[in-house]
Formats: sequence, structure tokens, C-alpha cells
Amino acid sequence: EDQVTQSPEALRLQEGESSSLNCSYTVSGLRGLFWYRQDPGKGPEFLFTLYSAGEEKEKERLKATLTKKESFLHITAPKPEDSATYLCARGSQGNLIFGKGTKLSVKP
Amino acid sequence: DTAVSQTPKYLVTQMGNDKSIKCEQNLGHDTMYWYKQDSKKFLKIMFSYNNKELIINETVPNRFSPKSPDKAHLNLHINSLELGDSAVYFCASSRRTIGGVGNTIYFGEGSWLTVV
Repeated sequence: EDQVTQSPEALRLQEGESSSLNCSYTVSGLRGLFWYRQDPGKGPEFLFTLYSAGEEKEKERLKATLTKKESFLHITAPKPEDSATYLCARGSQGNLIFGKGTKLSVKP
Repeated sequence: DTAVSQTPKYLVTQMGNDKSIKCEQNLGHDTMYWYKQDSKKFLKIMFSYNNKELIINETVPNRFSPKSPDKAHLNLHINSLELGDSAVYFCASSRRTIGGVGNTIYFGEGSWLTVV
């Protein structure tokens, strides 16, 4: 069964304190591993897509990496404006299957 | 310009009513979707259309009926609303159906439906 599991459910960081979010997924039929950011009251905002193990993508303080079974979203020196829920999704046939997200709070 | 726009943003209605949510995308995409996000923030697909043709229809009560008049629009009609239908409904679009490299789903801002 297709499954995406994210951990932790919630993460509190101090400004400048780097950390990583984890996304594990079922491998068969993977058609991309997607990361989105969702702010309260808004729709998910696309961040990255990764397609093969070893692939990495960066955007400002965020870096996404992919292994055969997991993806990590590394946040370097986060700022309060990075506070949001980060959603991981695996591409399946014609669809995205989402995890439940990690709610990140960054305190000044 | 908003790429994927949906209306209304907020909708409060009584049980048993029929309501519609409209969605339009100006990205020139061929595929459109409806996703539902429940109270636990879990996002799950309901329907997808490719060039006005239904291609995904998840296990959704038949009170929910999508309608695509053209490939830029995908509306969601809900009949006989129930308390459990309260959720956030997101419209989304992608250039083609997910499966090809470089294809990404872009979401609208969501429609908050509350059934009382």
C-alpha cells in the first residue's frame, strides 16, 4: 500500500538552530518525491521534486535530499519566517500521496 | 495573477443543502484535481481530470460530483451536505498527470467548508 510517513509531527527550533525533517515512503512505482510548504489558511506551496537517490536540491535555507527509502528536508539557520507545516508527498500514478506533515515553529 | 483560483474561500451552510465550489487555472495545464484536507490536516485526493476527462475518482460519496466545462475549470458540486463534509477543499492543477519528470501539482488557496 502506498504510504508516506513524516517525522517528527512537530518541531520547535530556536532561530539559527539547524535541523532536519524526515519523510519515509514506499518505494514501488515512485514517480517523484515532492516537498511542499503550507502556511496557516493557505494552500500548499511547491518547494522541490526529487526523482532519484542521491539527488539534492536547495532553495535559500532549505535543502532536500533523497535516498532509496527516505527524503530529508534540511533547514540551515532557520528564521521565524520559516515557520510552517512542511508536507512530503510521493508521486504515484496520476496522483500525489501526502504524509501528515511536520509543523515547524522557529522562535526568535 | 493567481495561478489556481477557487471560490468561495469560506462557506458556511446547513445540513442537507447543495453547494458548489468553483476552480479556475490560468497556467494552461491539462490536468486538474480536487483534494480534501480534513481536521487532522491530512491531504487526500478526491478527483482528477485530464483535458475534461475524469481519470481518478477515489472512494468519495456520490453526493460529490466534479464537473469540468473546459480544461481550465473544474467545479465541485456537493449535494445533501453532511456534518462530516466540513473540511478544506483544495483545487490544483498540473501540466500533465503526475508520472513524468518535471511535472508538478500547483494548489489553490483552499475553500473552507463548514456544515452546521
